[in-house]
Amino acid sequence: GAVVSQHPSWVICKSGTSVKIECRSLDFQATTMFWYRQFPKQSLMLMATSNEGSKATYEQGVEKDKFLINHASLTLSTLTVTSAHPEDSSFYICSAIRWGNEQFFGPGTRLTVL
Amino acid sequence: LAKTTQPISMDSYEGQEVNITCSHNNIATNDYITWYQQFPSQGPRFIIQGYKTKVTNEVASLFIPADRKSSTLSLPRVSLSDTAVYYCLVGDVDRGSTLGRLYFGRGTQLTVWP
Repeated sequence: GAVVSQHPSWVICKSGTSVKIECRSLDFQATTMFWYRQFPKQSLMLMATSNEGSKATYEQGVEKDKFLINHASLTLSTLTVTSAHPEDSSFYICSAIRWGNEQFFGPGTRLTVL
Repeated sequence: LAKTTQPISMDSYEGQEVNITCSHNNIATNDYITWYQQFPSQGPRFIIQGYKTKVTNEVASLFIPADRKSSTLSLPRVSLSDTAVYYCLVGDVDRGSTLGRLYFGRGTQLTVWP
């Protein structure tokens, strides 16, 4: 099946720093990718839709200046958590739509902000 | 966007068949029904997708009645490794559009006992 990777798989940073998370579709091109956040024992929450070559579309309540999304190519989308704080600690997951109607998810990135 | 309702948890024993039913009363004409499996600290894994009637693959079956207001995921002869959270989602996954956003409900925690 289609493969979506994320890097890094986990990251620990100090409060106030920025962290970039990469999402790559390894064997297909994805014009649309999505970013989710998941807190412990909770469901995935859609944060934004990342479209190649255009601005991301954010869900209501998600700060676009806090979570910067760049979809520079058909296989790469990045999420940058700017000025991270402990409350941003979470599991961040991306997904990509392959030709057709299947959405494939990455393995997730565990962010811990100290 | 169609909202889904699933049981919060289910228990089963190894070797049994498990059926998880999901309600989606407001499903739209263009919506597909997709089920995902998620293990702790991993991204969701695609299980099966369908639009109507019955779909079967190597791991599960999906039963969708004619009115499409519900669906049932059937896992034959579960094993301990099937212990996970199962999410039912409905969404319009269409290439070239910003549709395809998936909104996860709480999911069903399936626990398989020896």
